[in-house]
Amino acid sequence: DVKVTQSSRYLVKRTGEKVFLECVQDMDHENMFWYRQDPGLGLRLIYFSYDVKMKEKGDIPEGYSVSREKKERFSLILESASTNQTSMYLCASSFGDGYTFGSGTRLTVV
Amino acid sequence: AQSVTQPDIHITVSEGASLELRCNYSYGATPYLFWYVQSPGQGLQLLLKYFSGDTLVQGIKGFEAEFKRSQSSFNLRKPSVHWSDAAEYFCAVATHSGGYNKLIFGAGTRLAVHP
Repeated sequence: DVKVTQSSRYLVKRTGEKVFLECVQDMDHENMFWYRQDPGLGLRLIYFSYDVKMKEKGDIPEGYSVSREKKERFSLILESASTNQTSMYLCASSFGDGYTFGSGTRLTVV
Repeated sequence: AQSVTQPDIHITVSEGASLELRCNYSYGATPYLFWYVQSPGQGLQLLLKYFSGDTLVQGIKGFEAEFKRSQSSFNLRKPSVHWSDAAEYFCAVATHSGGYNKLIFGAGTRLAVHP
């Protein structure tokens, strides 16, 4: 089975900090995704990547950037964390139309 | 624009009762449709998916869903709900644009099960 591992389950950061959320997949998938999950809004796509060093904006990229230097790792970066970025962040990888999700990182910005 | 609507934010059913969760999508081409479940504190688990063929799709945990193109719907059903089914359920459509595939999700339906 494909495993998607998110390095932190819970994070608490201060406003203005630079925050890195890490995601690693172990099945050589081309595509990786970062979603944000908020109550009543479902999952919204922040960024995705279809190859190393390639990235595409999703529906809500403002305030975020990403990095994919190796195929297995996809990082989400909050350049200057704000309280409205308090949320659950889910990483996923896919091959074709088969998607696998990580367990999520719950980020609180204080 | 592609979108997924789940009209029911919360649903409460009694254990043993039947369940139907509604999902409507907006997508110009033939949709690839998914239902995921998320238990508290967990990631998303795939229940079932529809790509083509038989419009009634069987999934895990006794769930099924029916694709109705005329109604742009993909409703999830279960004949008899168990207390362990209490979770949040997400409907999603895979979009294929610009050579990339990505999932668009509905807002979710939170299911509570009364004993």
